[in-house]
Amino acid sequence: GAVVSQHPSWVICKSGTSVKIECRSLDFQATTMFWYRQFPKQSLMLMATSNEGSKATYEQGVEKDKFLINHASLTLSTLTVTSAHPEDSSFYICSASPLRYRDRLFYEQYFGPGTRLTVT
Amino acid sequence: EDQVTQSPEALRLQEGESSSLNCSYTVSGLRGLFWYRQDPGKGPEFLFTLYSAGEEKEKERLKATLTKKESFLHITAPKPEDSATYLCAVQIAGGTSYGKLTFGQGTILTVHP
Repeated sequence: GAVVSQHPSWVICKSGTSVKIECRSLDFQATTMFWYRQFPKQSLMLMATSNEGSKATYEQGVEKDKFLINHASLTLSTLTVTSAHPEDSSFYICSASPLRYRDRLFYEQYFGPGTRLTVT
Repeated sequence: EDQVTQSPEALRLQEGESSSLNCSYTVSGLRGLFWYRQDPGKGPEFLFTLYSAGEEKEKERLKATLTKKESFLHITAPKPEDSATYLCAVQIAGGTSYGKLTFGQGTILTVHP
């Protein structure tokens, strides 16, 4: 259980074009999805948090007009990199969080396999 | 400021040589501490979540423990297939964090046959 998929797994695009990356939770409903980027030999940096049916919350320093996030359903979130430039080349990873209630509220996060974006 | 620090940055072991990875944290309030394994070019794979000091969880050759200031990931008799980057992340309680994770820099584990 708790499988998250991403599509595409890798993409090469030309500078100035836009690229859309999909993140799907396959066997659970995700009220919250997260988008991270990871540069070589570095850890994951959170870009934004998206909740189904509402606007995404972006981390400080992340341009919301450049990285458009849509969380249209409980199983799908998309990240669109607009007017991509070579410095946007990175490994983009999404995670999905199934909301569970036990003794206290907590969130677990399951990650997708990542999307390698190369902008030429 | 919330901080997560992992040590060592890299660890080389011989097959069968047990060891521990450390994750120390300074946060305003801990909701949970997570351990993930990441192979090159792939997304993190969930290993454990720990919520309370004194809690322990095990999975095959891995055992995670938690205190009020740090967590350890113990690897018993490792095999070459345990080679990966191990990531520690904390989730802060309260506020508007919406469950976001703050990651440490990771420990690169290499197990030689």
